[in-house]
Formats: sequence, C-alpha cells, structure tokens
Amino acid sequence: VQLVESGGGVVQPGRSLRLSCAASGFTFSRYGMHWVRQAPGKGLEWVAVIWYDGINKYYADSVKGRFTISRDTSRNTLYLHMNSLRAEDTAQYYCAKDTSSDIAPAGISDCWGQGTLVTVSS
Amino acid sequence: DIQMTQSPSTLSASVGDRVTITCRASQSISSWLAWYQQKPGKAPKLLIYKASSLESGVPSRFSGSGSGTEFTLTITSLQPDDFATYYCQQYDTYPWTFGQGTNVDIK
Repeated sequence: VQLVESGGGVVQPGRSLRLSCAASGFTFSRYGMHWVRQAPGKGLEWVAVIWYDGINKYYADSVKGRFTISRDTSRNTLYLHMNSLRAEDTAQYYCAKDTSSDIAPAGISDCWGQGTLVTVSS
Repeated sequence: DIQMTQSPSTLSASVGDRVTITCRASQSISSWLAWYQQKPGKAPKLLIYKASSLESGVPSRFSGSGSGTEFTLTITSLQPDDFATYYCQQYDTYPWTFGQGTNVDIK
C-alpha cells in the first residue's frame, strides 16, 4: 500500500491550490480517504473525508466552504482543492486511507503518505 | 465539535519505564477512540483503535483502555523506539478531532 502526495508549494493568500494523492497497492475504489494536516511544530488536524462512493464528504469547520475533497477512481487519485487560502492553512498535508471498506468510513487511518507542504505567504 | 484534551503535554521517561498518557473527550464518544504515534518528519502510525484494540504489527507493550470520556494509552516497558509524540483521535462524531499530542522524551 502506498500513498504519494504532490502539488504543495508556496502560494499567496487568497489564491488556490490543488493537492493530489496517488494511491497504489489496494483497491482504491473500496475505501474512504482522508486529508489530515499539520502546521509547522503543531499537532494533527483532520481536514476532510470522502466516502468510497465519492458522494459523501465531510469537512473540518476551519476549511468548510473553501476546500473540496474529490477522487478519481479511474486514476486511483485523491484530490484536495483549496480556495481562498489563508496563512493559517500553512501545513504539511497528508492523505490517508481509512481502515474500513464498509459503506461508511471507520474514521481512522492505517496508511499515510509522507505529506506535501503548503505554505501560504505573500 | 468534540474537544480532545491530552495530559501530560510532555513526559520525560527512561527506557524500561511504564508510561501512561490520558485523553479526555468533551462529551461521550463511546469507544470510538484511536491512538497514533508520530516521529519527527514522519507520518503518523496507528497503534490502537476502538479504545483498546491493538493494530496489527504493533508491539504488545502498547495497550489502550477507557470508554465514554476518559481514555488511557499505556506503554508497559518503554523502548528506545518509543520516544515520539502520541495523539488520540475521536471518530464518534464529525468533525473528527485529535488531541494536542503528548511528547515522550528521554529523561
């Protein structure tokens, strides 16, 4: 099982960025997927989850209305579209696989990527 | 949102020590509580789920207990590889939330 994030970088406040996470080694279409972030020197913050079906999505209050999680099963890829970026969005962004292949995700992750760093600065 | 509070924030211990970390939820989460270990520059690793179930491949010196609002992670005999930061996470109610972390360092 492998998850590889990409798309991070330095972006100005108010701008947009799209993160990608390429998945391999498991049946991507059967699992819910998460984004979790970690600001420099800080703790973990759960950001969003998308169910296996790509329809049900839930977000942290801090990103609701600005970030959109999506998935492309044909490409085995998870995305995070980030709009109206703020300085407080600066963080390492991890994608993570849920442990459950049931209809609803369990809410916990047994496989994580190494992360991609997003820096929001003028 | 459910707030998760860990104590202590930092813990200094020696190899062979028994270590206990506490996590409290602001409302009942039944047993929907996980523990992760994170080392500097690395992604988190799942240790415990459903409060007390050991993830496959995790050494048996790690154990979890609790239900409702109070939970503990215990390491029975601390090993050199265990010096890291530990996070609890509730997955009872969206948005899922983490504790602030407990850094276990060398005394």
